Amino acid sequence: GNSVTQMEGPVTLSEEAFLTINCTYTATGYPSLFWYVQYPGEGLQLLLKATKADDKGSNKGFEATYRKETTSFHLEKGSVQVSDSAVYFCALRNFGNEKLTFGTGTRLTIIP
Amino acid sequence: GAGVSQSPSNKVTEKGKDVELRCDPISGHTALYWYRQSLGQGLEFLIYFQGNSAPDKSGLPSDRFSAERTGGSVSTLTIQRTQQEDSAVYLCASVLSGTPQETQYFGPGTRLLVL
Repeated sequence: GNSVTQMEGPVTLSEEAFLTINCTYTATGYPSLFWYVQYPGEGLQLLLKATKADDKGSNKGFEATYRKETTSFHLEKGSVQVSDSAVYFCALRNFGNEKLTFGTGTRLTIIP
Repeated sequence: GAGVSQSPSNKVTEKGKDVELRCDPISGHTALYWYRQSLGQGLEFLIYFQGNSAPDKSGLPSDRFSAERTGGSVSTLTIQRTQQEDSAVYLCASVLSGTPQETQYFGPGTRLLVL
């Protein structure tokens, strides 16, 4: 079956630090990959996605590249801000298996 | 509507009571999903609708849980004889056509507390 393994949290960084949140997956076929973000008190929002190998998703300074050879979709940002404090979820969605399969989430706290 | 809406936003109930949670998807979205977010369990899939039919109910945790969708729009998730372990945030999402590449848009959730 499908599964997503995500970097354990919580993660605490100083403002302007470099961020990496690791995500690897197991799936049959060619899934689409997503990063969702949940800001405090808000619902889940799509941050970025990639639908095929070597695609790079990007949004709000975050990037993630779909690496089929390593089955990974690591989230990166070069310089984090306090406003990036949130819980980040890696997820996949496979053809013929319409649900999203989520990782456990990584809580990120950025301190000024 | 502009986004996925859910009601109520919060629900406190006593153990053993039945509850109904409502989801209004984005207008025109054909596929609708229910998930549950609970402490220690992360985000779990419950059920998926394409139109009014449910091709995948594999995530419903027990026969106390049921859901329906009418008119290809509003969906109701019903939990009968609630238990304390049902306490969680219940999330609804919709997507335009259900293909894997498309984005699922989530509602704000219903926070359920069973006392």
